[in-house]
Amino acid sequence: AQSVTQPDARVTVSEGASLQLRCKYSYSATPYLFWYVQYPRQGLQLLLKYYSGDPVVQGVNGFEAEFSKSNSSFHLRKASVHWSDSAVYFCAVTPQGTGSKLSFGKGAKLTVSP
Amino acid sequence: NSKVIQTPRYLVKGQGQKAKMRCIPEKGHPVVFWYQQNKNNEFKFLINFQNQEVLQQIDMTEKRFSAECPSNSPCSLEIQSSEAGDSALYLCASSPGQNTEVFFGKGTRLTVV
Repeated sequence: AQSVTQPDARVTVSEGASLQLRCKYSYSATPYLFWYVQYPRQGLQLLLKYYSGDPVVQGVNGFEAEFSKSNSSFHLRKASVHWSDSAVYFCAVTPQGTGSKLSFGKGAKLTVSP
Repeated sequence: NSKVIQTPRYLVKGQGQKAKMRCIPEKGHPVVFWYQQNKNNEFKFLINFQNQEVLQQIDMTEKRFSAECPSNSPCSLEIQSSEAGDSALYLCASSPGQNTEVFFGKGTRLTVV
């Protein structure tokens, strides 16, 4: 069965520290991959996307993600977090060529402590 | 910032009542999606449209959900007879086309009391 796994449901880091949020997917072929962020009482905002090419993709606000075909992963990183990064982060995938219906992980709630 | 507009932001209904929410997709986006996000952050894809035509939908066996995207009018999602389990955040999203990025609205939070 196709699935998206975010193993860390809650992550707490200190302001200024580095961050990695993990995402693993299980699909028969390489899908399109996305990271979204959701702030309280808001919808989802796209951070970055991977379709093909360079496995490291840059996103907004200093976020980047690295695709690994061998590990079926798409981990999100940030070198130095800010308190305003506190939010819930979702990894999402869609199979190529079948329309853009997204499958989401269960999210990782990030808390940035002062 | 997304230009997908969802109304209302909050909706409170009694059990058995109809619940209707609307979505104006971003201009020029022919593909529209509806997702349900529950309190456990689980997303359920409900339906998507390209222009006015349904592309995919889940098996709404309960037949309580209906959706449409008429031309020149907002898209809508309606629950005919609300149940407590329908309490969730309903997210509308739009896309320029298939297999491209998807932009979400702020959602309609439905509470069924």
